[in-house]
Amino acid sequence: EAGVAQSPRYKIIEKRQSVAFWCNPISGHATLYWYQQILGQGPKLLIQFQNNGVVDDSQLPKDRFSAERLKGVDSTLKIQPAKLEDSAVYLCASSPRGWPQETQYFGPGTRLLVL
Amino acid sequence: KQEVTQIPAALSVPEGENLVLNCSFTDSAIYNLQWFRQDPGKGLTSLLLIQSSQREQTSGRLNASLDKSSGRSTLYIAASQPGDSATYLCAVMNSGGSNYKLTFGKGTLLTVNP
Repeated sequence: EAGVAQSPRYKIIEKRQSVAFWCNPISGHATLYWYQQILGQGPKLLIQFQNNGVVDDSQLPKDRFSAERLKGVDSTLKIQPAKLEDSAVYLCASSPRGWPQETQYFGPGTRLLVL
Repeated sequence: KQEVTQIPAALSVPEGENLVLNCSFTDSAIYNLQWFRQDPGKGLTSLLLIQSSQREQTSGRLNASLDKSSGRSTLYIAASQPGDSATYLCAVMNSGGSNYKLTFGKGTLLTVNP
């Protein structure tokens, strides 16, 4: 079974530029998560989708971050404009139904550096 | 607001040693607690998941315990090997209204020296 796929793996941009990350969850998983992991910190949930609907985006900086999950499969996370403090690893995860007893399966992450 | 603390932040041990990683959380109203492993440049891999009604879980050389009332968990690694070198993250699952949310600690960086 293929795991969670993410691209690109690395991205370097200048501040105020825009950037987009892509995630393909495990086939059949209804729930998709985007996390931000700043160096030396644990991952922080940015947004959670159930199929193509948003369940929780309370920690998403909505003035600059946006995310969508069209057709309830792939997802993109966009930052526009980027700030220096957005430098982090962006992790995508998925789970079958989003139930609390389920394990979340993580992708390798996209490492973003904002200069 | 749930807060998760992991001690120590870093640990270096010789191969073959038994070791304990600690995790504490402030809100005991959790559904479960999970331990993850993170290798450099890679995502997280789930190691053990302990439901709130359980006291411990075991997988191979790993044993995780949960004391929900005191807000503590430990991850015990027996006979450590260089391949165990990684960052170990503790995370607790709480209800966030209509959804369930994981809150992570900052992790313990483990180095096992040959």
